[in-house]
Amino acid sequence: DAGVTQSPTHLIKTRGQQVTLRCSPISGHKSVSWYQQVLGQGPQFIFQYYEKEERGRGNFPDRFSARQFPNYSSELNVNALLLGDSALYLCATQRTSGRETQYFGPGTRLLVL
Amino acid sequence: AQTVTQSQPEMSVQEAETVTLSCTYDTSESDYYLFWYKQPPSRQMILIIRQEAYKQQNATENRFSVNFQKAAKSFSLKISDSQLGDAAMYFCAYRRTNLGNEKLTFGTGTRLTIIP
Repeated sequence: DAGVTQSPTHLIKTRGQQVTLRCSPISGHKSVSWYQQVLGQGPQFIFQYYEKEERGRGNFPDRFSARQFPNYSSELNVNALLLGDSALYLCATQRTSGRETQYFGPGTRLLVL
Repeated sequence: AQTVTQSQPEMSVQEAETVTLSCTYDTSESDYYLFWYKQPPSRQMILIIRQEAYKQQNATENRFSVNFQKAAKSFSLKISDSQLGDAAMYFCAYRRTNLGNEKLTFGTGTRLTIIP
């Protein structure tokens, strides 16, 4: 089975723009979580979606939003980009909610100029 | 709020030797998971080992093993017979079991260098 895939791999935007990042889960995985990893830090939880419903939200402003589609893929949207949004954005998926292990994708590197 | 602390920003070890990476965490929960993830320069976060808090036996996975001390809230990773491919960032992570979501809380990581 293919692993978690994310697109694009790299992205450069300017302040004030909007960006959409995409994640495709491992086949059979219904839960998708998003993390932001600033250089030199550990990943920070942004959102989790399970069966297209939001299950959790981290301490991020409303400029960050996400959704999950019927095929369980997910998009993360960030509006009004700030320089501080420059980071690696990681997607993690798991088969169901509960006592499951999360598997991470390779991430999208976002640079805001 | 749960916190995870990795007090060693950088570690180095000779190839074929053993190294231990430290992790402590703070929680009031009794049931939770702990994880060690490896992040090589390719950026992909790779799960190395998982420990369930209700299990007293320390988890092992080939050359990787943990020392889980629940009372001390300590969760160290031991890498035996270190190999060049072990060079990476290592993150310790915590997850509650009854939060209603699968939020992982990560430490700040330890950069491991393997000396040939």
